[in-house]
Amino acid sequence: QSVLTQPPSASGTPGQRVTISCSGSRSNIGTNTVNWYQQFPGTTPKLLIYTNNQRPSGVPDRFSGSKSGTSASLAISGLQSEDEADYFCATWDDSLNGQLFGGGTKLTVL
Amino acid sequence: QVQLQESGPGLVKPSGTLSLTCAVSGGSISSSNWWTWVRQPPGKGLEWIGEIYHSGSTNYKPSLKSRVTISVDKSKNQFSLRLRSVTAADTAVYYCARAPDIVTPHFTNAFDIWGQGTLVTVSS
Repeated sequence: QSVLTQPPSASGTPGQRVTISCSGSRSNIGTNTVNWYQQFPGTTPKLLIYTNNQRPSGVPDRFSGSKSGTSASLAISGLQSEDEADYFCATWDDSLNGQLFGGGTKLTVL
Repeated sequence: QVQLQESGPGLVKPSGTLSLTCAVSGGSISSSNWWTWVRQPPGKGLEWIGEIYHSGSTNYKPSLKSRVTISVDKSKNQFSLRLRSVTAADTAVYYCARAPDIVTPHFTNAFDIWGQGTLVTVSS
């Protein structure tokens, strides 16, 4: 069981807006920035969002991130079938002195 | 374009030592990056193992710290992972990754480049 809690699954229809949450505590999300990764089955994770809300070059602006208190969220607007993947949040934890990943959320496009 | 490539045995016996190397190409391991190991058990989520800076400074996941050593070889432009006393629970795809060093406090390093990953199975 991860210290960072994500819903195991999420779903939406094409064109919809979907949000994936990541809940932590003061020692991790409450203090440090959050990154998000996208992983398709059998492939390497890809950096999707860094420093809470920044997109690396090449990531569509349909993807956005936010953070408030001890929680963070990834939003995907204009959902597309190719967005079907696993999504992981990650942040540093000051108590553990290490980086943490959320358990991951499997996004299904209906 | 920096690329990372993991290499090492795909099968390790229980109680043995898992040893992997990550070769860095297209850039210097002495650049301002944290070189990281992440693993993913089959069908499960990602787990941060630890990281090293070219200076030799390391950080390890506390629950693995007693069994893990990450080292850097500047002459070969590579870094390595050693995990001792392995059990079946250590079976996973092991990834190496790069995280540019962010000096600003409270900024979590982001893994912007990943190796393709290598499956290591612990079994007799």
